[in-house]
Amino acid sequence: GENVEQHPSTLSVQEGDSAVIKCTYSDSASNYFPWYKQELGKRPQLIIDIRSNVGEKKDQRIAVTLNKTAKHFSLHITETQPEDSAVYFCAASKEGGSEKLVFGKGTKLTVNP
Amino acid sequence: GAVVSQHPSRVICKSGTSVKIECRSLDFQATTMFWYRQFPKQSLMLMATSNEGSKATYEQGVEKDKFLINHASLTLSTLTVTSAHPEDSSFYICSARSGALNEQFFGPGTRLTVL
Repeated sequence: GENVEQHPSTLSVQEGDSAVIKCTYSDSASNYFPWYKQELGKRPQLIIDIRSNVGEKKDQRIAVTLNKTAKHFSLHITETQPEDSAVYFCAASKEGGSEKLVFGKGTKLTVNP
Repeated sequence: GAVVSQHPSRVICKSGTSVKIECRSLDFQATTMFWYRQFPKQSLMLMATSNEGSKATYEQGVEKDKFLINHASLTLSTLTVTSAHPEDSSFYICSARSGALNEQFFGPGTRLTVL
């Protein structure tokens, strides 16, 4: 089955700096890659997603890149703010997201003021 | 946007008792619902996939007789933790898939504590 690896497990940056989180997946049939932000005790919130027919997607300060050949995708957050501090999870799914999501282990991002 | 609710948000029970958690899609019909479990400082692990009107598909290592799932309608799925033990204490989160949007929407989660 699918296996998703996520790095780093913790990331600390200064406010205004950029943060990059990387994930790799194993199943070449996966074609939907969402990123979630989870605050303590809350539900995961979808912040951006990418499908396998594109290589990059951007939404304001957040961008995701996908390399299908290498089976890896990355989350980029620019101009980080303290409110970006949370745990971020990548995930992979087949059938455009209608199948089960396999999550990475998460990255705890801390943005220091 | 699509809204998914869960009830209860928190539950504390004694060891050996059963607990039922409800997951509802409030403004869309969910043909598929997923149940995840999340232990402290860990990732979400899929327990089972629930399709309306059919038996749930459980992930390897998840006991189907212990975690009973019923998806009786297009807006409601229930997870019953039977004979709960302290090691079942966890954050249980459901998600519902909208066939029209092909996206999963998460419920707010249920914090289960078994004493």
